[in-house]
Amino acid sequence: GAGVSQSPSNKVTEKGKDVELRCDPISGHTALYWYRQSLGQGLEFLIYFQGNSAPDKSGLPSDRFSAERTGGSVSTLTIQRTQQEDSAVYLCASSPRAGIGYTFGSGTRLTVV
Amino acid sequence: GDSVTQMEGPVTLSEEAFLTINCTYTATGYPSLFWYVQYPGEGLQLLLKATKADDKGSNKGFEATYRKETTSFHLEKGSVQVSDSAVYFCALSEGAGSYQLTFGKGTKLSVIP
Repeated sequence: GAGVSQSPSNKVTEKGKDVELRCDPISGHTALYWYRQSLGQGLEFLIYFQGNSAPDKSGLPSDRFSAERTGGSVSTLTIQRTQQEDSAVYLCASSPRAGIGYTFGSGTRLTVV
Repeated sequence: GDSVTQMEGPVTLSEEAFLTINCTYTATGYPSLFWYVQYPGEGLQLLLKATKADDKGSNKGFEATYRKETTSFHLEKGSVQVSDSAVYFCALSEGAGSYQLTFGKGTKLSVIP
């Protein structure tokens, strides 16, 4: 596609529920990244994919967070048993190869009530 | 670890005023430096970058110079417009092959007519 597409754009969920956030990267981009933007905290790195594998998951804040990427394309970030502190904007980015030419999506705003 | 510190916002300026947003960094290596801009409801867009000392990045009237001696990368624009209202993020990556961006917390700029 022309850009990085994320869905949904907004999600409100009840505490304790699971949520899935989707990212469609630019076609042909082998690298994909997830970041979290919390109020007043800037952007926090979560995970990096090269193809379908994730060499660096160090930023995932807890074992409630997981992510996968299939077919070298679409990625899903899953948060289990959501907590209020998970409320944030989750941003996805892709690039032709690691570290070169990031393109960010518009993000998914997650609100846990 | 790496870190980026940028001036707290929000910043409110009148149209045609001079803009400076300060950014300093700490890094173990020789980083590349970036300014990203986030317009309301949109994803982050790369505004400008510099990859070595004394490089000046420029775009859309914005400029920033990589100052290794002061570990700074301040963003400047001589005459801001209402359309420049956005959140500005300073960021670094540790160089060739590095996939992770480290961001500052962002500075919200509002330009009033």
